Amino acid sequence: QKEVEQDPGPLSVPEGAIVSLNCTYSNSAFQYFMWYRQYSRKGPELLMYTYSSGNKEDGRFTAQVDKSSKYISLFIRDSQPSDSATYLCAMRGQGGSEKLVFGKGTKLTVNP
Amino acid sequence: ETGVTQSPTHLIKTRGQQVTLRCSSQSGHNTVSWYQQALGQGPQFIFQYYREEENGRGNFPPRFSGLQFPNYSSELNVNALELDDSALYLCASSRSPGDTQYFGPGTRLTVL
Repeated sequence: QKEVEQDPGPLSVPEGAIVSLNCTYSNSAFQYFMWYRQYSRKGPELLMYTYSSGNKEDGRFTAQVDKSSKYISLFIRDSQPSDSATYLCAMRGQGGSEKLVFGKGTKLTVNP
Repeated sequence: ETGVTQSPTHLIKTRGQQVTLRCSSQSGHNTVSWYQQALGQGPQFIFQYYREEENGRGNFPPRFSGLQFPNYSSELNVNALELDDSALYLCASSRSPGDTQYFGPGTRLTVL
């Protein structure tokens, strides 16, 4: 079993839709959870950063972490064509030398 | 504030050759991490450098090696290139080993 599982999609939605992206993980030592957005042929850009369980909101984006279920989500409200990208979940443990472990990424297309 | 920069943007090599990729970290960042991202996959951690010392390594063979310089810029060297080394190589810098990582645009390496 992979440490982090993420459905690669692709996911196609109409403009204005609510998008839900998810990852599951197996390593209970993970404490820090991130979502990155990656446009085609570019480096990943940090969108959301959360520590432990709970919700975090930033504009149209909401990140949720449920450590008991080992499940994290990213919700995008009022999706825009500019949100079309690959979304990568990433997580790591507590220590300073803990590596960042990524999911495969979900490719999202928002159609005008 | 200058972000993370990488050079070159693209590179084509043949099997068996050696390659050096370069990364300049963001101002104020002393930690650099390198990742390999194959097509359709999430980034895989290669290694991290903190204050010129290797600070953690992923599951990559010794022909992947690195350096960090006093100005915190970094190099990734790959010897005896194999076809499977074709990928996007990403560099990320952070203020410290456990802090948020910010990615550069990547170097796309093609091995023929």
